[in-house]
Amino acid sequence: EPEVTQTPSHQVTQMGQEVILRCVPISNHLYFYWYRQILGQKVEFLVSFYNNEISEKSEIFDDQFSVERPDGSNFTLKIRSTKLEDSAMYFCASRISGATDTQYFGPGTRLTVL
Amino acid sequence: AQKITQTQPGMFVQEKEAVTLDCTYDTSDPSYGLFWYKQPSSGEMIFLIYQGSYDQQNATEGRYSLNFQKARKSANLVISASQLGDSAMYFCAMRVMDSNYQLIWGAGTKLIIKP
Repeated sequence: EPEVTQTPSHQVTQMGQEVILRCVPISNHLYFYWYRQILGQKVEFLVSFYNNEISEKSEIFDDQFSVERPDGSNFTLKIRSTKLEDSAMYFCASRISGATDTQYFGPGTRLTVL
Repeated sequence: AQKITQTQPGMFVQEKEAVTLDCTYDTSDPSYGLFWYKQPSSGEMIFLIYQGSYDQQNATEGRYSLNFQKARKSANLVISASQLGDSAMYFCAMRVMDSNYQLIWGAGTKLIIKP
């Protein structure tokens, strides 16, 4: 069964460093999302992406964040200068299309900023 | 404002019993979708069940069913014949139709199944 994959599973970085989190959505899906979950808290929407551009972003998704679909299969989230409060589980999700299709989540990348 | 509320931070249930996890939602949009996801201790987010606001019947998926009461704005998850492997966090989420279908999440319920 096709699934969303994410790499790495765990990333440790120093404050101020850039990180790139990678996702491979399900191949025939058209809509892509990033969410984050700070430990012990609820899941928060970051950004949605369709047709090679951002379609929606939350207040969390400031200038330090960017997304890209560089090669038609990967979908990346870049954090330019990480802060301690960026430590969280980051989930990528994809859905095929239409109004009632489910978002399927990857296993997540746990980002730890020291 | 659109919001999901899960009032049970934690629940203990005896193995093989049925369990109901509560979820209430708030939206003024007539078209919306409700989801339940399971998050085991390993951290991944597993889709369980979906209910559309216009669906006439309650959704079912194996041992999972969704008790959808539109007038009360509730979408409770029912797990029948609970198993030890059901121990996990359970999140209720709502898809916002007018906003690129992003999901709004509840705080989750930690379910522990006792042998």
